[in-house]
Amino acid sequence: AQRVTQPEKLLSVFKGAPVELKCNYSYSGSPELFWYVQYSRQRLQLLLRHISRESIKGFTADLNKGETSFHLKKPFAQEEDSAMYYCALGYGNKLVFGAGTILRVKS
Amino acid sequence: DAEITQSPRHKITETGRQVTLACHQTWNHNNMFWYRQDLGHGLRLIHYSYGVHDTNKGEVSDGYSVSRSNTEDLPLTLESAASSQTSVYFCASSDGAVLTYEQYFGPGTRLTVT
Repeated sequence: AQRVTQPEKLLSVFKGAPVELKCNYSYSGSPELFWYVQYSRQRLQLLLRHISRESIKGFTADLNKGETSFHLKKPFAQEEDSAMYYCALGYGNKLVFGAGTILRVKS
Repeated sequence: DAEITQSPRHKITETGRQVTLACHQTWNHNNMFWYRQDLGHGLRLIHYSYGVHDTNKGEVSDGYSVSRSNTEDLPLTLESAASSQTSVYFCASSDGAVLTYEQYFGPGTRLTVT
């Protein structure tokens, strides 16, 4: 069965510190993975997708098939990065979401 | 501008009542989805539709139903509301013309069942 695990409910870091939001998945096929973000008082929106290999707002995520992981990283956290982050696995035009991690960036 | 809206934004109802949450999108997307968001569980798929007259059960469909009579709307009905259905409900849509996982989300409906 498809499953996405985000082990941390809350990650609190200081401004300027590196950030890593963990995501592990379980899927027998070829995975398509995504990070979605929900800022305060805003709608859930797509942040990045593994297939694009892009950096959005300084965030990157590398798919590691051997470790079945898709961790989200940013070298220097900013206060505006504070939000709820969801890792998601796509299959058959649907998404399976992890439980989410709240990122708090302290000044 | 195209968008996706949900109504009402907040709803309080009593146990046993039937409740319908509306979702309307003007993207002309074929795919529409309903999720519930709960702490510790993230977003869980309730029902989804790939086009008019198509509906499918998701992970947590018990006690919920949907119907798709046109492209724009996918109303979610709670047949007999239960306290366990207190949650925030999100509607989303995506373009069915291509295989895409970029879903556009509505603002959410906060439902409280007392």
